[in-house]
Amino acid sequence: SAVISQKPSRDICQRGTSLTIQCQVDSQVTMMFWYRQQPGQSLTLIATANQGSEATYESGFVIDKFPISRPNLTFSTLTVSNMSPEDSSIYLCSISLRNSGNTIYFGEGSWLTVV
Amino acid sequence: AQSVSQHNHHVILSEAASLELGCNYSYGGTVNLFWYVQYPGQHLQLLLKYFSGDPLVKGIKGFEAEFIKSKFSFNLRKPSVQWSDTAEYFCAVYSGGGADGLTFGKGTHLIIQP
Repeated sequence: SAVISQKPSRDICQRGTSLTIQCQVDSQVTMMFWYRQQPGQSLTLIATANQGSEATYESGFVIDKFPISRPNLTFSTLTVSNMSPEDSSIYLCSISLRNSGNTIYFGEGSWLTVV
Repeated sequence: AQSVSQHNHHVILSEAASLELGCNYSYGGTVNLFWYVQYPGQHLQLLLKYFSGDPLVKGIKGFEAEFIKSKFSFNLRKPSVQWSDTAEYFCAVYSGGGADGLTFGKGTHLIIQP
C-alpha cells in the first residue's frame, strides 16, 4: 500500500468561500481520485486526476465548482469553490496501485463543514 | 451501470455474536470485490479483497468474505464480533475502466453492544 496524507483534516468554512484540499502520496502513482462522502451516505466519485492530463469529472460535478490540479505523480489538490452548506462533506483522496490489482486506497479524508 | 446492494443499513449485535453482512452486485462480467471499513472518526480502510482464486478470502481482524459467482454475492462474515468492530462497512465492486468502474454500496452501520 501507500501512505496518503490530506490537509486539512477538518475545517469549518464560511458560505461563499473556497477551500483547497491537498493530497500527498509517499510514492509515485499514475491514478489519483477524489471522492465525496456526504453525511450518512456512501462514497461518490468526483473526478479522476491523472498526471499530465485534465481531470475527468463524473456526472454532476464540474470543473468550475471542483477545480483539480495534478502537478506531479505524488501530489494533487481539490478546490471546493463558492461553498454552500450542501458542500459539507468528507472529501477523500484515493489512489490506485497497479501492483495491488487496481485496489483503491484512501486518505484520511478532509471533513468540511460549511456554515 | 452496475449497482451494489447492501441489504442491511443498520445492524445491532451483542459481543460474541456471529456476523454476516450481505452484498450483491449487478455486473455480469469479471469483477474485483472489496470490503472497506470506516471506524468512528477514522478514514476508510481496506478490510479484504477478492480478485481470483479461492472464493473464500480472509482479511484483517478475523473477517472473511465469500464470493459466490452464481449469486453475484460477496458477503462479509465474522464468527464472533467485538465491541471494537462497531463501524460502517462498505462493499465495493470494480468492473474495470478506472475509478469510475468502482461502485460502492450504501454501507452498513454495525453497532456492537457490550
